Amino acid sequence: EPEVTQTPSHQVTQMGQEVILRCVPISNHLYFYWYRQILGQKVEFLVSFYNNEISEKSEIFDDQFSVERPDGSNFTLKIRSTKLEDSAMYFCASSEYRVGSPLHFGNGTRLTVT
Amino acid sequence: SQQGEEDPQALSIQEGENATMNCSYKTSINNLQWYRQNSGRGLVHLILIRSNEREKHSGRLRVTLDTSKKSSSLLITASRAADTASYFCATDGLLMNRDDKIIFGKGTRLHILP
Repeated sequence: EPEVTQTPSHQVTQMGQEVILRCVPISNHLYFYWYRQILGQKVEFLVSFYNNEISEKSEIFDDQFSVERPDGSNFTLKIRSTKLEDSAMYFCASSEYRVGSPLHFGNGTRLTVT
Repeated sequence: SQQGEEDPQALSIQEGENATMNCSYKTSINNLQWYRQNSGRGLVHLILIRSNEREKHSGRLRVTLDTSKKSSSLLITASRAADTASYFCATDGLLMNRDDKIIFGKGTRLHILP
């Protein structure tokens, strides 16, 4: 069964550094998402992306964050200047349709900001 | 916000018993979904119920939806040790709102005792 893959599985970075988290969604999916989860707590929506543009974003997704689909397969989340509070699990997900289809999640990237 | 809220936050039951988890949400929805998350892994879609459906079954899972009360329940029958995980409900907004995000609740941590 096709799956969403995320790299790296664990990223350690120093405060103020830029990080790029990478995702390869399922190939025939059209909608892409980033979520984050701090310490096994609630899963927080960051951003949704369709047709090469952001379709919705949360208050968390401020100017420090950006997303890109640089080619036909990758979907990336960039954090320009990381803060300690950005430490979390970041999950990428994709879905076939906007409404009424399940999200398929990758196994996440654990980001640790020191 | 249409965020779902699950209860209980944590549930421990004996293997073989049934587990029931509840979810309440705030705004009108198109669909409600349930996901499962094993520790340190991505979320896995379990079941989707549409706003015009009242009950849905999938194997040992039974989901109900009461749109008048804005609530849903997930029943796992004949629980097994492998069912130990966190369970999340997720809701999306009405199509007319062009709400391109799926919002997750805080989850119920289910522990099946041998």
